[in-house]
Amino acid sequence: AIQLTQSPSSLSASVGDRVTITCRASQGISSTLAWFQQKPGKAPNLLIYDASRFESGVPSRFSGSGSGTDFTLTISSLQPEDFATYYCQQFNNYLWTFGQGTKLEIK
Amino acid sequence: QVQLVESGGGVVQPGRSLRLSCVASGFTFSSYAMHWVRQSPGKGLEWVAVIWYDGSYKYYGDSVKGRFTISRDNSKNTLYLQMNSLRAEDTAVYYCARDQGAFGGYPDYWGQGTLVTVSS
Repeated sequence: AIQLTQSPSSLSASVGDRVTITCRASQGISSTLAWFQQKPGKAPNLLIYDASRFESGVPSRFSGSGSGTDFTLTISSLQPEDFATYYCQQFNNYLWTFGQGTKLEIK
Repeated sequence: QVQLVESGGGVVQPGRSLRLSCVASGFTFSSYAMHWVRQSPGKGLEWVAVIWYDGSYKYYGDSVKGRFTISRDNSKNTLYLQMNSLRAEDTAVYYCARDQGAFGGYPDYWGQGTLVTVSS
């Protein structure tokens, strides 16, 4: 199965900072990658799909890029509500996998 | 609005079985593929299974293949997960999630989850 490795595993940042999270696939997955945000005690929320397409209602400060094996999620200017855990997710050959998560904390 | 409500979780002994349900509303259930995803306490997300809109195809994660069965009843707008031969490592919050389309793709709406604890 394709494995996804996120970096960093945790990150401290301040409101207003620009933040980038990376997701690397163990083999090429074209652009079949999504990003989710999860807050404590809540279900995940889809932010980005097909590597760079916005889910409806997602603020424009979130953006995604990449294809093949290397992908990034960028938050252009952190807001207080953005402190959460972020997961990448892919599907290929009828198997879905998630990255291990990146916890974004307030500095 | 889209709503997904899971039920059926609880405490179960290792080796026993449990069936989870997920009742959907606010959309045409029979037009969408559906997923189960789980999250062990304090851990990350793990995809469990997906079922096509009409139930014609089902796919499973390696850790549950042969033990879990996903199914759906489109007349009742309900998704199921039959879990057999449960192990301690199956302890998790189980989420049902709607796919963006009729076939497997990205989960776009999620329920709030139901907790399954496997313990003697």
